[in-house]
Amino acid sequence: EAGVAQSPRYKIIEKRQSVAFWCNPISGHATLYWYQQILGQGPKLLIQFQNNGVVDDSQLPKDRFSAERLKGVDSTLKIQPAKLEDSAVYLCASSLWEGKETQYFGPGTRLLVL
Amino acid sequence: GIQVEQSPPDLILQEGANSTLRCNFSDSVNNLQWFHQNPWGQLINLFYIPSGTKQNGRLSATTVATERYSLLYISSSQTTDSGVYFCAVDASGGSNYKLTFGKGTLLTVNP
Repeated sequence: EAGVAQSPRYKIIEKRQSVAFWCNPISGHATLYWYQQILGQGPKLLIQFQNNGVVDDSQLPKDRFSAERLKGVDSTLKIQPAKLEDSAVYLCASSLWEGKETQYFGPGTRLLVL
Repeated sequence: GIQVEQSPPDLILQEGANSTLRCNFSDSVNNLQWFHQNPWGQLINLFYIPSGTKQNGRLSATTVATERYSLLYISSSQTTDSGVYFCAVDASGGSNYKLTFGKGTLLTVNP
């Protein structure tokens, strides 16, 4: 079974530029999560999708971050414009359903904002 | 929101040693997971353990939900066990499964 795929793996941009990350969850997984992991900390949930609907985006900085999950499969996370403090690893995870299921994580995208 | 505290923050072991990592949480939880983040950043599920005890090879975990803590045991440690161990809990209730992570324990196993 293929795992969660993410791209790109690394991205370097200058502040005020925009950037987008892509995630393909495990086949059949209805729930998809985006996390932000700042160096030295645990991952923090940004947004959770159930199929193509948003379940929780309470910690998403909506003035600059946006995410979508068209057709309930792949998802993109966008930052526009980026700030220095957005430098982090962006992790995508998926789980089978919204219930009490194990979350499986992708390899992450390392973003550096200069 | 719920607070998740992990201890110790750092741990250095010689290969073959045993260790215990602790996770304390401030409120009742529906679920708890332990993860290992390897040096390349990949988060790997170790245990899904809202209560009770589970074992997988050299690793085992115990969660005492009523006392709000979980323990991860690593026996006969190997250099490949190095990395950060995270405890994550779900205290959201209902059907919205939302993990809150601790800051992790950085484990270094020396040969």
